[in-house]
Amino acid sequence: TQLLEQSPQFLSIQEGENLTVYCNSSSVFSSLQWYRQEPGEGPVLLVTVVTGGEVKKLKRLTFQFGDARKDSSLHITAAQPGDTGLYLCAGLYNFNKFYFGSGTKLNVKP
Amino acid sequence: EPEVTQTPSHQVTQMGQEVILRCVPISNHLYFYWYRQILGQKVEFLVSFYNNEISEKSEIFDDQFSVERPDGSNFTLKIRSTKLEDSAMYFCASSERPRQGAGEQYFGPGTRLTVT
Repeated sequence: TQLLEQSPQFLSIQEGENLTVYCNSSSVFSSLQWYRQEPGEGPVLLVTVVTGGEVKKLKRLTFQFGDARKDSSLHITAAQPGDTGLYLCAGLYNFNKFYFGSGTKLNVKP
Repeated sequence: EPEVTQTPSHQVTQMGQEVILRCVPISNHLYFYWYRQILGQKVEFLVSFYNNEISEKSEIFDDQFSVERPDGSNFTLKIRSTKLEDSAMYFCASSERPRQGAGEQYFGPGTRLTVT
């Protein structure tokens, strides 16, 4: 069962462009987390959103949790080559179990 | 800054052998997790553990798998009789308080398990 759908799977853009990654589900989550993962390493937590409608900013990254707590988005403004990596969303379901999206592989070209 | 550690970083084993993967969670965390990631695929939840018992497990976590917290610091994942398809990165994670809704997890660097 694909509980969390993440899109797009791949994104290749030029430095300075904006982008949005989406994470969607038909299930309600207690919270949702965004991670970044480098090859051969563990996911590194970027942010957690808990409240429906919540917006959090981390420098050029803006994270939003949907009002119904079923979806989330990550928006990057003026992307830089250092933003290149795999971005993962993960939803906490029933306070006990985390479901990961399949990831978005971002490539920012200089 | 506190971090989750895992050993070994790479384990090669023959099919049918038992392996134990070790994790030391962050010291004040109470919830522990194991995930696996087959090369090129998504991170998959295996099991969560709290108060010395399994809280939740996925369909992947069958009778071949077990978890233990043998002392106050280690958290282990045992695979009794490894299969080729068990080859993957195994990540341990810990968190403070998911029952209060946030549940920030911190991941270890992973153990790469190769079954030959």
